[in-house]
Amino acid sequence: QSALTQPRSVSGSPGQSVTISCTGTSSDIGGYNYVSWYQHHPGKAPKLLIYDVNQRPSGFPDRFSAFKSGNTASLTISGLQAEDEADYYCYSYAGSYAWVFGGGTKVTVL
Amino acid sequence: EVRLVESGGGWVQPGGSLRLSCAASGVTVTNTHMSWVRQAPGKGLEWVSVIYSGGSTYYADSVKGRFTISRDYSKNTLFLEMNSLRVEDTALYYCAGDRWSTNWYVYWGQGTPVTVSS
Repeated sequence: QSALTQPRSVSGSPGQSVTISCTGTSSDIGGYNYVSWYQHHPGKAPKLLIYDVNQRPSGFPDRFSAFKSGNTASLTISGLQAEDEADYYCYSYAGSYAWVFGGGTKVTVL
Repeated sequence: EVRLVESGGGWVQPGGSLRLSCAASGVTVTNTHMSWVRQAPGKGLEWVSVIYSGGSTYYADSVKGRFTISRDYSKNTLFLEMNSLRVEDTALYYCAGDRWSTNWYVYWGQGTPVTVSS
């Protein structure tokens, strides 16, 4: 159950797009279409952004999109806004009733 | 509106025990898949344990044999019994859940802190 690999940080100016990668293995990301993404503002409860690789919960802005290719999942934030500054985590089923998070990526809005 | 409120965290010496609670409202813990997720200081999120709505339970290797997840229908509360605590168990513990899947969490609490230190 090793953590999925995410960049420690990414940054962008307001209005720009940023993409966060999440790399695993064929035993987790590559083996199942069960990748989800969370936005976490420190001190608050994490929020579900994406489930089942690329599905958005109702009410969440379409500025957030995601996809998967092989063992890597990606989250793109388009039209970056100040309130998007937060930590972002990917999460995947890893087989045998185990789940694994990514190490987290801090998004900074310049 | 769904609300999850964790409690029971605190300071404990290595080898000690703690019991965390997660009181739910707006959702019934016995027909929701519920999990515990933790975040060590300066680290990322880590999945700890899950209890399916049907009652099956599973654990991360790092806590297997030491932690026990359970729930109480009458109290509508999720629990995490933690024994043989180690320094590396120090973290903010969140309860989380979803009615439909264990592969994502719509519902989250605010977390309760656990410090294991001598």
